Amino acid sequence: DTGVSQDPRHKITKRGQNVTFRCDPISEHNRLYWYRQTLGQGPEFLTYFQNEAQLEKSRLLSDRFSAERPKGSFSTLEIQRTEQGDSAMYLCASSLESRSTEAFFGQGTRLTVV
Amino acid sequence: GNSVTQMEGPVTLSEEAFLTINCTYTATGYPSLFWYVQYPGEGLQLLLKATKADDKGSNKGFEATYRKETTSFHLEKGSVQVSDSAVYFCALRGSSGNTPLVFGKGTRLSVIA
Repeated sequence: DTGVSQDPRHKITKRGQNVTFRCDPISEHNRLYWYRQTLGQGPEFLTYFQNEAQLEKSRLLSDRFSAERPKGSFSTLEIQRTEQGDSAMYLCASSLESRSTEAFFGQGTRLTVV
Repeated sequence: GNSVTQMEGPVTLSEEAFLTINCTYTATGYPSLFWYVQYPGEGLQLLLKATKADDKGSNKGFEATYRKETTSFHLEKGSVQVSDSAVYFCALRGSSGNTPLVFGKGTRLSVIA
């Protein structure tokens, strides 16, 4: 399967702990996006990379959040000192560089902070 | 900034009924427009897209026409099936190409036999 894969699919963590998620995009895609989706809402943009460069970060991405894409391939999203409000589905997507091309989404990582 | 507004759900229809889900957008220039679908337990999938004014995107019996004059991209299907039950998201990508997809809040569709 050459789609976007995310790991883990589910994560339960205690408040205050750090968590890290991984995304493997479609191999030839140079753009990689992170979104957050809460119940009853559409995906909200967090950040995106073109190759290894992080080009844009949303105001939603507080200082506790950091994302990397060190070699322009897979990406990680880390949340430090998790809060209950961080509970959400974290989606990764990848695309080619064009305004008209679609983004392909992974199945997401569901985070529950207890 | 760019934004998408779509009709709130849930929408419940009988099988073979006509479906319309309204979507309007705010953006400068000529964005690309998309409809994504999320079936229960699955990830977001592209349903259809249109990249310029008056283009019609179509797939699996669904259609949407890019209307610049009304800034709309309404999703339609002539005869829905139970298998169409899902959440539908309207989205846009700005005309510069250097912007991420912006999504609406989604509309849940339930089709009953």
